[in-house]
Amino acid sequence: DAGVIQSPRHEVTEMGQEVTLRCKPISGHDYLFWYRQTMMRGLELLIYFNNNVPIDDSGMPEDRFSAKMPNASFSTLKIQPSEPRDSAVYFCASSPGQGFGKLFFGSGTQLSVL
Amino acid sequence: SQQGEEDPQALSIQEGENATMNCSYKTSINNLQWYRQNSGRGLVHLILIRSNEREKHSGRLRVTLDTSKKSSSLLITASRAADTASYFCATSNQGGKLIFGQGTELSVKP
Repeated sequence: DAGVIQSPRHEVTEMGQEVTLRCKPISGHDYLFWYRQTMMRGLELLIYFNNNVPIDDSGMPEDRFSAKMPNASFSTLKIQPSEPRDSAVYFCASSPGQGFGKLFFGSGTQLSVL
Repeated sequence: SQQGEEDPQALSIQEGENATMNCSYKTSINNLQWYRQNSGRGLVHLILIRSNEREKHSGRLRVTLDTSKKSSSLLITASRAADTASYFCATSNQGGKLIFGQGTELSVKP
C-alpha cells in the first residue's frame, strides 16, 4: 500500500498566481480530508469528502479556496489567487470508514507564496 | 477554535525516562486519538480511545481518558531518541469532524 500521495512536495509561487495541490487517497477509503498546518493556527480542517461528495467545507477560509474530488482516487485543492498568508503546509488524509476513526496522512505540500 | 489543548507545549527528557502529555477538550466526544508528527512529515496515528473507554495500551504507549474532566493523557514509557516528535491529540464529536490540538513537542536526548 503506497499510502496517501500528495503532489507537489514543495510549491513556491508569487502572490496572485493560481496554485493546485493534488492528492491520491488510499484505495478503498471513503473519506478524504484537507488540512492546513501553520505555526500560528495549528492544524485546521478545511474540507472533507465522503464518497467523493463534499460534506463540510466550513473550514475553507474564503472563496479563493476550492476543492474537488472528481473520482475516488483523486482530489485537488485550488487557491486562486494566492496570497502570502496562504503559506502553510497542506495535508491530505483519508479514512476507511465512518465514525471518524484513524486518519492516514500524506506527507504534505509545503506552500510558500511570495 | 481548537477543540483539544495539549500540555505541556514542549517537553525535554533523557532517553529511558517516561514522557507524559496531557490533552484537554471542551465538548462531548465520540473518541479521542493521538498522533505523532516527525519534523517535515505527515501525522501518523498512534492510538484511538472511545468515549466509553478509560484506558488503552499499545506497546510502550498508554492512553487514559477521563470524560468527567474532559481530559486525556498519553504516556510513553522507556523513551527513545526516535520518539522525538510532536504529539497531537484529536477529538471527534457528534458533528463528526476530527479536530486537532496544538501539539506537544517532545525531545528525547540520548
